[in-house]
Amino acid sequence: AQKITQTQPGMFVQEKEAVTLDCTYDTSDQSYGLFWYKQPSSGEMIFLIYQGSYDEQNATEGRYSLNFQKARKSANLVISASQLGDSAMYFCAISSGSARQLTFGSGTQLTVLP
Amino acid sequence: NAGVTQTPKFQVLKTGQSMTLQCAQDMNHEYMSWYRQDPGMGLRLIHYSVGAGITDQGEVPNGYNVSRSTTEDFPLRLLSAAPSQTSVYFCASSYDTGALNYGYTFGSGTRLTVV
Repeated sequence: AQKITQTQPGMFVQEKEAVTLDCTYDTSDQSYGLFWYKQPSSGEMIFLIYQGSYDEQNATEGRYSLNFQKARKSANLVISASQLGDSAMYFCAISSGSARQLTFGSGTQLTVLP
Repeated sequence: NAGVTQTPKFQVLKTGQSMTLQCAQDMNHEYMSWYRQDPGMGLRLIHYSVGAGITDQGEVPNGYNVSRSTTEDFPLRLLSAAPSQTSVYFCASSYDTGALNYGYTFGSGTRLTVV
């Protein structure tokens, strides 16, 4: 069984500052993938970034980067230069080679302050 | 537009009624899934399919049925709606990229209220 833990129900950040959203995971699989999704108030699920368990470098996608610490089983999302449009719910998720389906955490509500 | 199409977007049901949530994708994806999202929680897997004619249960399958007669369609049936099934339902499709990033694509969701 896989599990994702997001311990920050809500976070606030000033516009233009960086913010880190925490994610820890638990899996017995050696091969797995970690994902971050953004869900704005409109409700759709927007893919942000992916990290494979065998990837040696941390993933980056524009202003998003994933701080992957395999030994600690953490996959924190870093958003640089926050924008008002970044205000949303953010979900961390895991998939493994044995189950293509995603297991989600409970999410972090991020609010960017002007 | 290519993607995952869910219908309807909103639905109100009375307790005991049945209905089908539709999901269609035009990307020739092998894998399709249904998730539900409840307040304060992430998405939880209801049922999934790895190809036409093959379905399996996820974490919360009770009260739901699925079938996969074609690659494109993966309907979710509520047999006898209960207030506990009030939720937002997401359909997703994915494909084998050869890595673990399966290229998940989500539909826009169906907001269901059971009264």
